[in-house]
Amino acid sequence: AQKITQTQPGMFVQEKEAVTLDCTYDTSDPSYGLFWYKQPSSGEMIFLIYQGSYDQQNATEGRYSLNFQKARKSANLVISASQLGDSAMYFCAMRELRGSNYQLIWGAGTKLIIKP
Amino acid sequence: NAGVTQTPKFQVLKTGQSMTLQCAQDMNHEYMSWYRQDPGMGLRLIHYSVGAGITDQGEVPNGYNVSRSTTEDFPLRLLSAAPSQTSVYFCASSLSSGGNTEAFFGQGTRLTVV
Repeated sequence: AQKITQTQPGMFVQEKEAVTLDCTYDTSDPSYGLFWYKQPSSGEMIFLIYQGSYDQQNATEGRYSLNFQKARKSANLVISASQLGDSAMYFCAMRELRGSNYQLIWGAGTKLIIKP
Repeated sequence: NAGVTQTPKFQVLKTGQSMTLQCAQDMNHEYMSWYRQDPGMGLRLIHYSVGAGITDQGEVPNGYNVSRSTTEDFPLRLLSAAPSQTSVYFCASSLSSGGNTEAFFGQGTRLTVV
């Protein structure tokens, strides 16, 4: 079974609009964490935002916010006022305990294209 | 501050050749890991290390070896390259394996095995 599911392989969004990238997860670890990374066409992985399983508030970092719905096992990334530079692959990842160490489990990613 | 440095950026190997991908970090991070990225898939963990002298297997370890003799360096060795190992490889480091510690990534190595 997929641990991290990103159901949108690709999205087109008009510049300046808000965009929501979906991520659902599955884990039995009560102390997990959720990350979003951006991968532009240049290839590097850029950390965007983190949400811990015990965090009461939704995480925010500038134009990025994480819509964390724990009961639904959902951790969607919201980008407000999208810009052309937001065009990239976006990956959701979950940190969960495996054995005695935590590991990052990755979704397949969503390719976001911002249209001018 | 260099962060995580991976070399080389590109490499072409013939089937059966061996090579080492280098990874070094200057942030004194305990946790280091190697991933491979294939089209249409998320990153998959190959091997990881929680400190000097300690390594363990990830999801897809076959065909790869690692060692961690220092905190800074975590090389990945391909023992006998196969076309199925054509991929983009990322090295990452973080302060620890748990909590909210973000992983810092190298620039990636694009490996083609012919």
